[in-house]
Amino acid sequence: GNSVTQMEGPVTLSEEAFLTINCTYTATGYPSLFWYVQYPGEGLQLLLKATKADDKGSNKGFEATYRKETTSFHLEKGSVQVSDSAVYFCALPGSSNTGKLIFGQGTTLQVKP
Amino acid sequence: GAVVSQHPSWVICKSGTSVKIECRSLDFQATTMFWYRQFPKQSLMLMATSNEGSKATYEQGVEKDKFLINHASLTLSTLTVTSAHPEDSSFYICSAPPSGSWAEQYFGPGTRLTVT
Repeated sequence: GNSVTQMEGPVTLSEEAFLTINCTYTATGYPSLFWYVQYPGEGLQLLLKATKADDKGSNKGFEATYRKETTSFHLEKGSVQVSDSAVYFCALPGSSNTGKLIFGQGTTLQVKP
Repeated sequence: GAVVSQHPSWVICKSGTSVKIECRSLDFQATTMFWYRQFPKQSLMLMATSNEGSKATYEQGVEKDKFLINHASLTLSTLTVTSAHPEDSSFYICSAPPSGSWAEQYFGPGTRLTVT
């Protein structure tokens, strides 16, 4: 079935540093791919998505490109801020068309001023 | 964007009692909702799929008699933790895809349950 693997955290960066969080997936076909963000004590929010191969999702300065050759969907941001401190989850739909989402293990990002 | 609410946002209950958590889609209809459980510093674990007008579908290892799910309308699903024990303490999150689209889901803010 579909699965996703994220780099382990935590990731600690200084403000304005470059961020990369790796995500690779295994899937049947080319499903949509998602990045969700969870701020402390809150639920998940959709950060960005890509619905087909070679698409680039972007939002709030974050970007991720759907690369079918490397089965990856790495999250990047050129200059992180303290307010970006959160847990980031890579996700994709489950194998069957049931609406289920498969989440990576989550990567905690801490940005220091 | 679409909004999903949960109530309560946090609850403390005594061991042996039952607790009901509500999940509402505020500006769209959801024939399906999902209930997740999240332990500290861990990923989300899907517990069950809530289906409007029919029985919920539970993931393997989730006790359906302990975690009762009711999806009474197109905008409301409830999760009742029955005879709660301290090990049920967790963060419970629901999500809902807008009807007709699996490509995106909207998550509630979560409910923190603490069983003493």
